[in-house]
Amino acid sequence: EPEVTQTPSHQVTQMGQEVILRCVPISNHLYFYWYRQILGQKVEFLVSFYNNEISEKSEIFDDQFSVERPDGSNFTLKIRSTKLEDSAMYFCASRYWDGYSNQPQHFGDGTRLSIL
Amino acid sequence: DQQVKQNSPSLSVQEGRISILNCDYTNSMFDYFLWYKKYPAEGPTFLISISSIKDKNEDGRFTVFLNKSAKHLSLHIVPSQPGDSAVYFCAASAQIYNQGGKLIFGQGTELSVKP
Repeated sequence: EPEVTQTPSHQVTQMGQEVILRCVPISNHLYFYWYRQILGQKVEFLVSFYNNEISEKSEIFDDQFSVERPDGSNFTLKIRSTKLEDSAMYFCASRYWDGYSNQPQHFGDGTRLSIL
Repeated sequence: DQQVKQNSPSLSVQEGRISILNCDYTNSMFDYFLWYKKYPAEGPTFLISISSIKDKNEDGRFTVFLNKSAKHLSLHIVPSQPGDSAVYFCAASAQIYNQGGKLIFGQGTELSVKP
């Protein structure tokens, strides 16, 4: 069964450094997402991406964050200057869209980001 | 953001019995509801969903019930098996109004099925 893959599984970075989290969504999916889960808290929406542009972003997704689909398969989340509070599990998800019916999002196993 | 709530952080059930996990929501714009299962060190795995035009959806041992007037949904697992032990998340989206379809998650309920 096709799946969403994320790399790396764990990233340790010094505060203030840039970090790029990578995702390969399921190949025929058209919507892509990033979520995060801070330890002990809910899974929170960050951003959705469709047709090569952001379709929606949350208040968390400020100027320090950006997303890109650099080629036909990868979907990346960049944090420009990391802060301690960016430490979390980051999940990538993708969704098929047939133009009319509800479809579930499928998630990767996440990247644990630790900011020191 | 308390739009989706799972009020029971944990649930313990005997193998073979029914597990019932509950979820409440406040936003009447939600039109699509999902249940995800999550094991430690893995991402959420899609389990079952229901559109707001239905009140029940069944897939094998899993059934989701939606009560729109009460803004409540539940997941029934019958019979429960030890492999069902995991954290279960309820999620909702408003896809009619927002084709981006972002998911709003509940806090999760940790299900433990004892042999």
